[in-house]
Amino acid sequence: KQEVTQIPAALSVPEGENLVLNCSFTDSAIYNLQWFRQDPGKGLTSLLLIQSSQREQTSGRLNASLDKSSGRSTLYIAASQPGDSATYLCAVWGYGQNFVFGPGTRLSVLP
Amino acid sequence: NAGVTQTPKFQVLKTGQSMTLQCAQDMNHNSMYWYRQDPGMGLRLIYYSASEGTTDKGEVPNGYNVSRLNKREFSLRLESAAPSQTSVYFCASSPGANVLTFGAGSRLTVL
Repeated sequence: KQEVTQIPAALSVPEGENLVLNCSFTDSAIYNLQWFRQDPGKGLTSLLLIQSSQREQTSGRLNASLDKSSGRSTLYIAASQPGDSATYLCAVWGYGQNFVFGPGTRLSVLP
Repeated sequence: NAGVTQTPKFQVLKTGQSMTLQCAQDMNHNSMYWYRQDPGMGLRLIYYSASEGTTDKGEVPNGYNVSRLNKREFSLRLESAAPSQTSVYFCASSPGANVLTFGAGSRLTVL
């Protein structure tokens, strides 16, 4: 059974810092991995989708990498802003499965 | 485009009452999902529908039923609500093993 973990569970940084969020999964047989953002009391918004054949995806200040063999993905946020404060979740889609979600990392960017 | 629309946004039930959560998507997606999100438990799949006319159990289906009314609509029914079903429920849709698009969520409290 696929298990997804995220480290750290919470992170607080001053504005302007570059930061890395980590996602680990136990079964490397995946179709893709997706990063989401969730604001308090809101739904999930898709940030980046990385197919299993890709190594990374970029969108603006966000860069996500995927290393299937080691079961890891990282989300890099450059020049963080207070508006980046949210919970970030990763989810993997494995063979014969639906998306399995990690518990999320709660990010606070302090002005 | 509205994307994924869920109703109601909030609901309070007494133990034993029944209710239906409605979900509709306007993106012509084949697959639709119902998740629940609980503190410390992350997102867990209740039921999904890979295509119109099919439904399958997810990780936590007990106490729930679903109906894929047509390609657009996927409803979740609680026949006899229990306090353990207090949660935030999210509907999502996908064209396949691809990007998940979520609704805004429905917050349910069972007293």
